[in-house]
Amino acid sequence: DAGVTQSPTHLIKTRGQQVTLRCSPKSGHDTVSWYQQALGQGPQFIFQYYEEEERQRGNFPDRFSGHQFPNYSSELNVNALLLGDSALYLCASSFQGGSETQYFGPGTRLLVL
Amino acid sequence: AQKITQTQPGMFVQEKEAVTLDCTYDTSDPSYGLFWYKQPSSGEMIFLIYQGSYDQQNATEGRYSLNFQKARKSANLVISASQLGDSAMYFCAMREVDNNTDKLIFGTGTRLQVFP
Repeated sequence: DAGVTQSPTHLIKTRGQQVTLRCSPKSGHDTVSWYQQALGQGPQFIFQYYEEEERQRGNFPDRFSGHQFPNYSSELNVNALLLGDSALYLCASSFQGGSETQYFGPGTRLLVL
Repeated sequence: AQKITQTQPGMFVQEKEAVTLDCTYDTSDPSYGLFWYKQPSSGEMIFLIYQGSYDQQNATEGRYSLNFQKARKSANLVISASQLGDSAMYFCAMREVDNNTDKLIFGTGTRLQVFP
């Protein structure tokens, strides 16, 4: 039973560039949530996707956008990268909108120079 | 707004001993869920244990148990018989339901170091 997978594992970008991170949920899960974890902090909720729609967004600007595909996988896009976007980006999957336990992937470490 | 507080930035424990990691929470919702996750240096958040607000008994999962004191709004994680592989960051989290979305609110974490 495959767990949550994320790609790439590491990424280095420069300010102003755009980045796309990918997530495949755990088998049987239909909901994907994205979190940003800055160094030394707990993860912060970015947004959640269910039935290919964004359900709710945390306190993040519109530079952060996402998408969910019919196979439940998801992408996180960040435009006009800032130095402060450097963080570990975690994807979590769950069943039926997140009312069940969320299981996390290994994360993507993004460094913006 | 819901809030999770972890007051121990770091904890040390000797191998085979038990350790308690503290977590307090604040919510006005009568129904909520509390989680503990382990984060090794690799970065992945590993689910450890869950406690629902209406659960009558404290949750247990192998060497992990949750000391749930509802009146005090605390949900401390107890790890028995610590192992070197338990060295990691530990996060307490609460499920917040907002506009039909279940999201997790995390504390700042506790770094546990197990020494021989």
